[in-house]
Amino acid sequence: GAVVSQHPSRVICKSGTSVKIECRSLDFQATTMFWYRQFPKKSLMLMATSNEGSKATYEQGVEKDKFLINHASLTLSTLTVTSAHPEDSSFYICSARRTDTQYFGPGTRLTVL
Amino acid sequence: QKEVEQDPGPLSVPEGAIVSLNCTYSNSAFQYFMWYRQYSRKGPELLMYTYSSGNKEDGRFTAQVDKSSKYISLFIRDSQPSDSATYLCACLSSNTGKLIFGQGTTLQVKP
Repeated sequence: GAVVSQHPSRVICKSGTSVKIECRSLDFQATTMFWYRQFPKKSLMLMATSNEGSKATYEQGVEKDKFLINHASLTLSTLTVTSAHPEDSSFYICSARRTDTQYFGPGTRLTVL
Repeated sequence: QKEVEQDPGPLSVPEGAIVSLNCTYSNSAFQYFMWYRQYSRKGPELLMYTYSSGNKEDGRFTAQVDKSSKYISLFIRDSQPSDSATYLCACLSSNTGKLIFGQGTTLQVKP
């Protein structure tokens, strides 16, 4: 149990376009989901906490207008990278909270040309 | 000082060796402790989860927590080449629900 999926697994886009990434908890309900960003050979950097039915809470330094988060249901959170630029290229990973731990999705590799 | 410190390695061992991975933390509010394994270009996979001092065993893996010294460890017995990955320790604050990660230790098990 405790499976989290992400879609797409990989996306390549042109600079200036917007990209949406979906995170789903497949076998449990998650009122709280998290979005992370990971650079090569680095640990995970928390971007924001996504709460079902309310606004996301962003970490310091993360632009909320750049990274739009919607948690519309107990099993789905979406991250939209708006007007993506090459510096937004990264590995984005979501997680879903279940009791006192988090289960992670497989990640989405975003490449902005 | 980082809230969770972990030696990034890399750590290279021969197949069959016992591996010891360690982290220290500074925040007494941390109540839950996890070890994740992350293969290259994949999301972290939960390996072990503990919330009290002592040992917890699952197959070849043993997680150890010492809250008095704020020290957490993961032991891997009979290590296999398939164990080659990055291992991340994480502490969870029950107040915020956020995970605080160590830097991750890269492990290579050579056949």
